[in-house]
Amino acid sequence: EPEVTQTPSHQVTQMGQEVILRCVPISNHLYFYWYRQILGQKVEFLVSFYNNEISEKSEIFDDQFSVERPDGSNFTLKIRSTKLEDSAMYFCASTETGTGGLYSNQPQHFGDGTRLSIL
Amino acid sequence: GQQVMQIPQYQHVQEGEDFTTYCNSSTTLSNIQWYKQRPGGHPVFLIQLVKSGEVKKQKRLTFQFGEAKKNSSLHITATQTTDVGTYFCAGPRYSGAGSYQLTFGKGTKLTVIP
Repeated sequence: EPEVTQTPSHQVTQMGQEVILRCVPISNHLYFYWYRQILGQKVEFLVSFYNNEISEKSEIFDDQFSVERPDGSNFTLKIRSTKLEDSAMYFCASTETGTGGLYSNQPQHFGDGTRLSIL
Repeated sequence: GQQVMQIPQYQHVQEGEDFTTYCNSSTTLSNIQWYKQRPGGHPVFLIQLVKSGEVKKQKRLTFQFGEAKKNSSLHITATQTTDVGTYFCAGPRYSGAGSYQLTFGKGTKLTVIP
């Protein structure tokens, strides 16, 4: 079964440094998402992306964050000037289509995540 | 904004006992999705409920969607050690261009004691 792949699995970075988290969504998927999960807490939406632009972003996704689809396969999350509170698991997800029918949605397929540790 | 609440936060059961987690949304939902996250893993889609009052079963798992489409539950009959993990409910919130974001509950972490 096709999978969303994320690299690296674990990233350790000094506070203030920039990090880029990489995702390869499932090949025929068109909608991409980033979520984060602070240890022991719930999964929180960061940003959605479609047709090479951001569809929606949460209040967490401030100017420190950016996303990019640099080529036909990769989807990246960049965090500039990292802070201690950015330490979390970051999940990429994708769906083949968008909202689908009037009430039902394509389920989101999540990658294994990148554990980001800021020192 | 939309809030999704889930109880209990933790549940320890003896293997073979039943387990239930409850989910409540502050807004009416068009559908609700359930995900399971194994320890150290990522959320894995279990099911989506769309219709008011809908009940769906997957082997020992029974999912219900409330009549008002604001609450849902997951019931596991005769738990097994393979059921260990955190169960999240999630409601969609729609963005532009056909995308949607999931608002997750805090999850219920299930521990099964052999």
